[in-house]
Amino acid sequence: NAGVTQTPKFRILKIGQSMTLQCAQDMNHNYMYWYRQDPGMGLKLIYYSVGAGITDKGEVPNGYNVSRSTTEDFPLRLELAAPSQTSVYFCATTPGRYGAPVTLHFGNGTRLTVT
Amino acid sequence: DAKTTQPPSMDCAEGRAANLPCNHSTISGNEYVYWYRQIHSQGPQYIIHGLKNNETNEMASLIITEDRKSSTLILPHATLRDTAVYYCIVLRGALNFGKGTSLLVTP
Repeated sequence: NAGVTQTPKFRILKIGQSMTLQCAQDMNHNYMYWYRQDPGMGLKLIYYSVGAGITDKGEVPNGYNVSRSTTEDFPLRLELAAPSQTSVYFCATTPGRYGAPVTLHFGNGTRLTVT
Repeated sequence: DAKTTQPPSMDCAEGRAANLPCNHSTISGNEYVYWYRQIHSQGPQYIIHGLKNNETNEMASLIITEDRKSSTLILPHATLRDTAVYYCIVLRGALNFGKGTSLLVTP
């Protein structure tokens, strides 16, 4: 049982390039989240999904897109990378119902640098 | 979202109890208080949560005041491995993490 797997672990992008951060889970959790964490700061929610085919914006969605075609996968897409998107990106899941007690399971993060 | 206020940093001697406070004066009746911690640059780790009553598990204890406007996370015997950033979160919608308290456990 691998839990939440994020790939790649590290990536350097040039300004304007695009990439997809992958997140996969094998716990059959319905809810999945993408957070970003800038140096010395807390985590900010980018997007979340309450199930396959359903996604919604979080606190800082601009510059990102997501899709949720299966329960297991929740990729995060950066279309035109900007230096402001340099951050550590965490994917998280929870089995709970939206609004019910939430215990998040986090991946180990993807460290992205845009230069 | 209901806001939380935590001290930015705290120190604790190894073996002593670490008491981490959190104010959440705008909490509403059905909102839970959650505690997570983040060690170095890893993903945050769930510690404990509660609604009204005090809670205890193998990691920590959570004390919530009767008016629910504040809470305290207690690590009964802190070890060096408990050095981390601790986040107190009140859930309304998705979990939003603030800056937390950076706890340093010293030998």
